[in-house]
Amino acid sequence: GAVVSQHPSWVICKSGTSVKIECRSLDFQATTMFWYRQFPKQSLMLMATSNEGSKATYEQGVEKDKFLINHASLTLSTLTVTSAHPEDSSFYICSVSETTYEQYFGPGTRLTVT
Amino acid sequence: AQSVAQPEDQVNVAEGNPLTVKCTYSVSGNPYLFWYVQYPNRGLQFLLKYITGDNLVKGSYGFEAEFNKSQTSFHLKKPSALVSDSALYFCAVRGSGNYGQNFVFGPGTRLSVLP
Repeated sequence: GAVVSQHPSWVICKSGTSVKIECRSLDFQATTMFWYRQFPKQSLMLMATSNEGSKATYEQGVEKDKFLINHASLTLSTLTVTSAHPEDSSFYICSVSETTYEQYFGPGTRLTVT
Repeated sequence: AQSVAQPEDQVNVAEGNPLTVKCTYSVSGNPYLFWYVQYPNRGLQFLLKYITGDNLVKGSYGFEAEFNKSQTSFHLKKPSALVSDSALYFCAVRGSGNYGQNFVFGPGTRLSVLP
């Protein structure tokens, strides 16, 4: 399956600052990538679908001005958490899909906002 | 709207014994079903999928799952558990429509294999 990387794997930032998370598809040109959020001991929740060259599609309840997504190329999507607050602390995971079936996930980025 | 239930938060099994992690689903139309495993502070690893065809699906690391349409279930099984199988397991379903927006995960089941 597709190989997906994320950077950084772990980041700590102060409240009010912005953090950028990168998601790269290493061996596959992904026109679509997905961003998920996972709270401790909980399942994944889809935040948004990132489309190369166009605006992302956000799930209901996800603030698009807070979670900025840029899918500038077929191998890179970025998620920027703007003006981060402690409640934004979470595990963020991206994924790609080679077909219309399974998705392949990155290793995740743990964000801690102090 | 589709949904996935994993009725057990935790499953404990002795090493060498068979294991089962349960999953039931609700979806309109034909379901596409998946199992993923997550190790601590890692992303999800794909184990297996059911799209169509044989109800018994074989996947990675000796895992298999059986699709049961009448019971709307897709239980994950392994004949002989290993300590290294200890992890968090997620069942997911994808129904009709745009595949991204309709990819829904269950709450997860933590599997502990005891030596």
